[in-house]
Amino acid sequence: GDSVTQMEGPVTLSEEAFLTINCTYTATGYPSLFWYVQYPGEGLQLLLKATKADDKGSNKGFEATYRKETTSFHLEKGSVQVSDSAVYFCALHASGGSYIPTFGRGTSLIVHP
Amino acid sequence: DGGITQSPKYLFRKEGQNVTLSCEQNLNHDAMYWYRQDPGQGLRLIYYSQIVNDFQKGDIAEGYSVSREKKESFPLTVTSAQKNPTAFYLCASSIVGRDYDKNIQYFGAGTRLSVL
Repeated sequence: GDSVTQMEGPVTLSEEAFLTINCTYTATGYPSLFWYVQYPGEGLQLLLKATKADDKGSNKGFEATYRKETTSFHLEKGSVQVSDSAVYFCALHASGGSYIPTFGRGTSLIVHP
Repeated sequence: DGGITQSPKYLFRKEGQNVTLSCEQNLNHDAMYWYRQDPGQGLRLIYYSQIVNDFQKGDIAEGYSVSREKKESFPLTVTSAQKNPTAFYLCASSIVGRDYDKNIQYFGAGTRLSVL
């Protein structure tokens, strides 16, 4: 079946550091890929998405590129802020039309001033 | 503002008691979902519903029940059969369709359930 694997956290960075959170997936066909973010005590919200190979999703300074050859969708940000501290979830929607997403386990990011 | 409202924010259950978590949405979405979140385990799907009066079990439905009598509402009951109910519960909704954008999930702020 479909699966999403994320790097384990917590990822701890100083403010203005470069961020990478790795995400790889297993799926048949051509899934769509998503990053969701969960701030402390809240639900998840969509951060960015990419629907086909080589697409780059971006939002709030975060970027991720859909790499079909490496089945990856790594999240990056050039300069993190304390307010970016949250849990980040990588997810996919299978190309077969399933409306149930497959989520990774989440990666906690802690940014220190 | 459109969105998903979950209540209560915190809930305490006594042993042998059933408790019901509320989820209401005014986004006019067809599908609604319940997830359980435990530390380090990500999200696990409990139940989901695509249309009124129909719902399907997810990966961990045992000890839970739901109803979908109205499009806007999808309450979750945690029954006494659920022996380890302490967790953060998230409700979500989405439009349903072949376009991937229609399957983006919108989440409520969650209910934290603890056992007394």
